[in-house]
This record gives sequence, C-alpha cells and structure tokens, in this order.
Amino acid sequence: DAKTTQPTSMDCAEGRAANLPCNHSTISGNEYVYWYRQIHSQGPQYIIHGLKNNETNEMASLIITEDRKSSTLILPHATLRDTAVYYCILRGNSNYQLIWGAGTKLIIKP
Amino acid sequence: DAGVTQSPTHLIKTRGQQVTLRCSPKSGHDTVSWYQQALGQGPQFIFQYYEEEERQRGNFPDRFSGHQFPNYSSELNVNALLLGDSALYLCASSWGPFNEQFFGPGTRLTVL
Repeated sequence: DAKTTQPTSMDCAEGRAANLPCNHSTISGNEYVYWYRQIHSQGPQYIIHGLKNNETNEMASLIITEDRKSSTLILPHATLRDTAVYYCILRGNSNYQLIWGAGTKLIIKP
Repeated sequence: DAGVTQSPTHLIKTRGQQVTLRCSPKSGHDTVSWYQQALGQGPQFIFQYYEEEERQRGNFPDRFSGHQFPNYSSELNVNALLLGDSALYLCASSWGPFNEQFFGPGTRLTVL
C-alpha cells in the first residue's frame, strides 16, 4: 500500500506557483521522497526526488520538512501544460519498485 | 538521445490469447521495470529485470512473465488473457535497480 497521502485535486492559476503537498508521517530513515507526474494517457514523467535536504532542478523544487513527515512540490510558474496527475512516492534505497497512490490531479486554469 | 521506447502502442486481443510487449531502455540504462496501470489508478509494479534476471516481483500471477536480453531490452509476456488484463502497460528503465526510473509511453492492451 502507498505510504503517502495527497489531496485528490487542486487548481492553480496559470503563471502562479503551484504548491502540491504530500504527507508521509511513517517515512523511514532510508526512504527517499520521489515525485512523478502523468499527463493524460502518457507514461509518467520523473520530476525530482530528495532525502532530507531541499532540492531544485529545472522543473521544480522539493521542500521536505525537518521531521521528514511531509513535503511540498513547487512548480514555480505553472503553465497549462503542467495539468496532470502528480504522484508523491516513498522509496527506500534498496527497494526495487515504486509504490503508487492515487496522486493529486492538478488543473492549471488560464 | 532516445528515451524509453515501447511497442506496440496499442493492441487488441481476445480472452485466452497470449501477448508479448516490448521495451527498449533509455541509452545507458541497464534495468527495466514493468508496471500495469488500470484506468483511473496508479501504476502497479509487475517485476524488475537487472542483469537478465528477475529481481523482484509484485503481486501478479505466473501468467505474467518476462525476459531481459543482453542489450538490456525486455519483453513482458501475458498468457491466458483475461478481461481484467486490459490496461496500460508501462516500462521504466534506470541505471541500476535502485535509481530513478524513466518511463516509456506505454502499450494500451484491450482484451475483448
């Protein structure tokens, strides 16, 4: 079973920052937080992952709380093409598989 | 740099038939994982292949089998197809079993 909790859906205005929360209160010390997104009927796209420090790449930023029980994915300037289902996944450093929950459906509105 | 490719894109089969899906990993990747995604749900892990061996298997019956070739490409075989096998089948590749996985576009299988 998935070990993360995400809101079912969220809206965000185009051009604004989209902040997607994820709760993972039972996270273990060796588990990374991964984010993927899936645009309708396409393969999932890797976004970012982190262990305890905040991470940033060309797509997004990942903010992990100090106690690691929750995190936030930030898309700094959302565009209509960012409309997708966003998945927050925990993965141990010796886990072969990704265990997916239901994700958050993010809708970017013009 | 080609990403993960899968073939065919779409496939229609009837109950009881057998199907083979194919995956070529991203350049430089040596590990392939397969997932099944039913409509409206997140992907479910089927199995992972590394060094031509099945490393871990999810909760799927033996009707689902796979293979990895020396060039790291992989096949997923499903025998005795059931209506419930209708889904999007996703292949993901990675450098090693535990690094970030990159997904292909998927194969949409419809079982009638």
